[in-house]
Amino acid sequence: SYELTQPPSVSVSPGQTATITCSGNALPKQYAYWYQQKPGQAPVLVIYKDKERPSGIPERFSGSSSGTTVTLTISGVRAEDEAVYYCQSADRSDSWMFGGGTKLTV
Amino acid sequence: EVQLVESGGGLVKPGGSLRLSCAASGFSFSTYTMNWVRQAPGQGLEWVSTISTGGTYIYYGDSMKGRFTVSRDNAENSLFLQMSSLRVEDTAVYYCARTYITSSGNSYSNYGMDLWGQGTTVTVSS
Repeated sequence: SYELTQPPSVSVSPGQTATITCSGNALPKQYAYWYQQKPGQAPVLVIYKDKERPSGIPERFSGSSSGTTVTLTISGVRAEDEAVYYCQSADRSDSWMFGGGTKLTV
Repeated sequence: EVQLVESGGGLVKPGGSLRLSCAASGFSFSTYTMNWVRQAPGQGLEWVSTISTGGTYIYYGDSMKGRFTVSRDNAENSLFLQMSSLRVEDTAVYYCARTYITSSGNSYSNYGMDLWGQGTTVTVSS
């Protein structure tokens, strides 16, 4: 079955740049979406269509895509960015999938 | 206020049924594709189901097919998830989330799940 693979954890110091990857065979053909989830809260969309940022999301969040890997980059990481980040994509037009999540520790 | 509010969760025995609801307010509900996403305790997100604006197109995750039924009432700004033959592994927080999709000819543009409710907890246990 199709999978989206993320590293379980990433750790950075405040002010540094965090990069979180997501790999999947369908990513060259399907857009990716990124969500931030803090403990006890619902997920929040931070990137859509690989690299677009919803209104209200800080500019330090950016997304990129290359082949079978998409990347979420957080520049100038702040303590408030500590959360679990999930990628999401489709393996076909009628089926969505989430990656396993990456815990970002600041 | 723009929001989604889930309800209907609770404790149910294996093999039982439950109906979840999601009430939308503050936006034009009928113009959004709606989704259910769940999260088992301590686990990641799992896509459950998606229903198009008019209810014509409906999709389910593989482990939900044949057991879960999604529906919506645009007049009442509500989304529903009827769950039957529940299993212990269906225990999770169930979220509803909206997605805005535009279409042009045969192509679609999906803007992601940009609004989520706070979730309702379903516990399947004997």
